[in-house]
Amino acid sequence: NAGVTQTPKFRVLKTGQSMTLLCAQDMNHEYMYWYRQDPGMGLRLIHYSVGEGTTAKGEVPDGYNVSRLKKQNFLLGLESAAPSQTSVYFCASSYPRDFGGPTDTQYFGPGTRLTVL
Amino acid sequence: EDQVTQSPEALRLQEGESSSLNCSYTVSGLRGLFWYRQDPGKGPEFLFTLYSAGEEKEKERLKATLTKKESFLHITAPKPEDSATYLCAVQATLTQGGSEKLVFGKGTKLTVNP
Repeated sequence: NAGVTQTPKFRVLKTGQSMTLLCAQDMNHEYMYWYRQDPGMGLRLIHYSVGEGTTAKGEVPDGYNVSRLKKQNFLLGLESAAPSQTSVYFCASSYPRDFGGPTDTQYFGPGTRLTVL
Repeated sequence: EDQVTQSPEALRLQEGESSSLNCSYTVSGLRGLFWYRQDPGKGPEFLFTLYSAGEEKEKERLKATLTKKESFLHITAPKPEDSATYLCAVQATLTQGGSEKLVFGKGTKLTVNP
């Protein structure tokens, strides 16, 4: 199993450009999440999905959109990038106990480092 | 508001010098507490999940414990390869419309010198 993978690993954008980050998991997990990590701030939830075709807002959703067209994929989009979106983005997935899974543990991907100039 | 505070922010140990990292939390209802290890430039790597006060889990030189207000990550006889940032996160009990989100602390950066 590859676990959770993220594409791309690095990206540099200019202000106003758009891009999509791709997250894929091969663990058949129901839940998927997008977090951002900034120095001194800890990891913060952007958006999440509780199943194929569903999405919901997290703690810091402004400026981002997401889609979950397939169970194994979760896309994070930036329509008009801003310097404040310079960060490291992590995707995670889980299969919570309340939904028949073995554990509430979230498993993380390797991250995408995004710089917006 | 759910909060997680980790201390110390940074810790330097000599190889073999045991110590503990602290994670204090306030949450409306604890569903689970998670410890992760994060190496520079990589994603958080899962270590432990604790669900109830009094629970303990061990893995090699690491032992995690949980009380109603805090969790400790004990490191026994650490080695240089234990150097990393250790993250603590809590998950609140689901309420109507709630999410499965994790609330993370800022981490403790551990350096183990040979």
